[in-house]
Amino acid sequence: QQQVKQSPQSLIVQKGGISIINCAYENTAFDYFPWYQQFPGKGPALLIAIRPDVSEKKEGRFTISFNKSAKQFSLHIMDSQPGDSATYFCAAWDDYKLSFGAGTTVTVRA
Amino acid sequence: ETGVTQSPTHLIKTRGQQVTLRCSSQSGHNTVSWYQQALGQGPQFIFQYYREEENGRGNFPPRFSGLQFPNYSSELNVNALELDDSALYLCASSLVGEDTQYFGPGTRLTVL
Repeated sequence: QQQVKQSPQSLIVQKGGISIINCAYENTAFDYFPWYQQFPGKGPALLIAIRPDVSEKKEGRFTISFNKSAKQFSLHIMDSQPGDSATYFCAAWDDYKLSFGAGTTVTVRA
Repeated sequence: ETGVTQSPTHLIKTRGQQVTLRCSSQSGHNTVSWYQQALGQGPQFIFQYYREEENGRGNFPPRFSGLQFPNYSSELNVNALELDDSALYLCASSLVGEDTQYFGPGTRLTVL
């Protein structure tokens, strides 16, 4: 079963707008939460990551918000650009493996 | 620093055949993990190798097997291919005990 639930499945945003992707999990053993960006025909590339003792992490236009009590985390892409059009995956780590969400395809319209 | 590389890029096989996929880990990384990504889905963990031994396994049947070599490169072998094995196979490398994994470009396997 899907250990990490991700929504929405897809979203369209205008250039300069904000993209928000949400993820939820149940397994409290997860202790590291990365986001990956994947372009068609390529492997996932690590974008940004957070640990559960931090509520927010920002790197450039990308911000992760983390709510440990709700077991939810989200990715915000500020000032979205056409080059951000890709599929984004949230993931969670326990022991030795990553469990991925189903992915969100983001399309940025110029 | 060399990133994760995989070969071949694409592969077409028929049902019942066997396939071997190869991965070279990022320089300095001693752990290799394999994931299967079906079309339109997130990657699913197959197994991980460290010190040439399987270090953990996901929900995949025994016909999925692997090897790790002394130089930390790795192979994924799949026997008795089924149509549902068609997917992008991803290799990821890391340092043992660390949770940050770096992925290769993948091998696209099509089973006819």
